[in-house]
Amino acid sequence: AQTVTQSQPEMSVQEAETVTLSCTYDTSESDYYLFWYKQPPSRQMILVIRQEAYKQQNATENRFSVNFQKAAKSFSLKISDSQLGDAAMYFCAYRSALGQAGTALIFGKGTTLSVSS
Amino acid sequence: DVKVTQSSRYLVKRTGEKVFLECVQDMDHENMFWYRQDPGLGLRLIYFSYDVKMKEKGDIPEGYSVSREKKERFSLILESASTNQTSMYLCASSLFRQTVYNEQFFGPGTRLTVL
Repeated sequence: AQTVTQSQPEMSVQEAETVTLSCTYDTSESDYYLFWYKQPPSRQMILVIRQEAYKQQNATENRFSVNFQKAAKSFSLKISDSQLGDAAMYFCAYRSALGQAGTALIFGKGTTLSVSS
Repeated sequence: DVKVTQSSRYLVKRTGEKVFLECVQDMDHENMFWYRQDPGLGLRLIYFSYDVKMKEKGDIPEGYSVSREKKERFSLILESASTNQTSMYLCASSLFRQTVYNEQFFGPGTRLTVL
């Protein structure tokens, strides 16, 4: 079975600085997808960034980028130029690319990011 | 915009009550999911459905059942609520086809308290 581990329950960063959230996963599959989701306080969970396992190039979405190391099974999220609105819980998630039926996400336990001014 | 709605943001029930949590999506998604979110445990899958009347157990189905009579609606049922089912419940939906761009869209969540 696949597992996702986020080893940092809480992180903090100052506005305009850069922070990196860690995620490791365990799988025997070669084809899969990885995601980072953001859950702001009392608000809906939204997708931040996604990565296909067979793509070596790291995904980037504006101030958010990932460092995907397939051999090490590591998928960290870097937030540049942090803003107050980045304060949230961040979840790393894995999904198998196999099968035809809808496949659920496997989540890590989350990292709470606080941003100070 | 994809919209996933859940019938209640907050719900308080008594032990032993039958509880229905409703989820509706408006994007014609085939897949629908129910997750439970607890502090320090992340999100855990309770049940999912990939078609009307189809359901699959997730990691923690005990004490729960589901119903999907229409494509847009997926209900989570607590047959006899217990205090250890106090939690945040999140519904999600996605297209059936497996691609990286087939993201799951989440509802706002229902915070259920069982007294």
